[in-house]
Amino acid sequence: GAVVSQHPSWVICKSGTSVKIECRSLDFQATTMFWYRQFPKQSLMLMATSNEGSKATYEQGVEKDKFLINHASLTLSTLTVTSAHPEDSSFYICSASPGASGANVLTFGAGSRLTVL
Amino acid sequence: KQEVTQIPAALSVPEGENLVLNCSFTDSAIYNLQWFRQDPGKGLTSLLLIQSSQREQTSGRLNASLDKSSGRSTLYIAASQPGDSATYLCAVSSWGKLQFGAGTQVVVTP
Repeated sequence: GAVVSQHPSWVICKSGTSVKIECRSLDFQATTMFWYRQFPKQSLMLMATSNEGSKATYEQGVEKDKFLINHASLTLSTLTVTSAHPEDSSFYICSASPGASGANVLTFGAGSRLTVL
Repeated sequence: KQEVTQIPAALSVPEGENLVLNCSFTDSAIYNLQWFRQDPGKGLTSLLLIQSSQREQTSGRLNASLDKSSGRSTLYIAASQPGDSATYLCAVSSWGKLQFGAGTQVVVTP
């Protein structure tokens, strides 16, 4: 079946540094990828939708200059948390779809836990 | 705006009992509805997907029903096992987006 790999699975960084999280579709081409964040005991909140070769679409309230998304190929999307602060500590999960958003079954990565000191 | 609610937020049952998890949504114009399982600190595992034209889906001990008109879905887990302990999330696909509920945390005690 479809597999989505996320790396790193956990990262600790100092306040003010930038962190990059990768999301790869291993056995299919992902036209669309989604990035979510999840605070403890809360649900997943969609941050942005990225389409290969075009700019990401950010949800209301998500700072696009802070959360940089790049979807340069059909198998890789990256989320960079720039100038990270402790309030950015969260669980970030990506998902990928081979077709139009919402039209296919999404495959989720295992998540990346970010802790900003 | 689509809102997804899951009740109860937490549930504890003894092993062998059947589990009933509820999910409600406000906008019936959905493409599909999915149930996921999430273990602590882990990603999501898709359990069942129900297309908007379907009324239910079954997989092993799991059965999910969908009533679009009333904006409800129910996940039934028969003969629960300690390994079923996890958080169960429902998610509704509508208007090109996947909207998640907050989840039901399930504990099955031996």
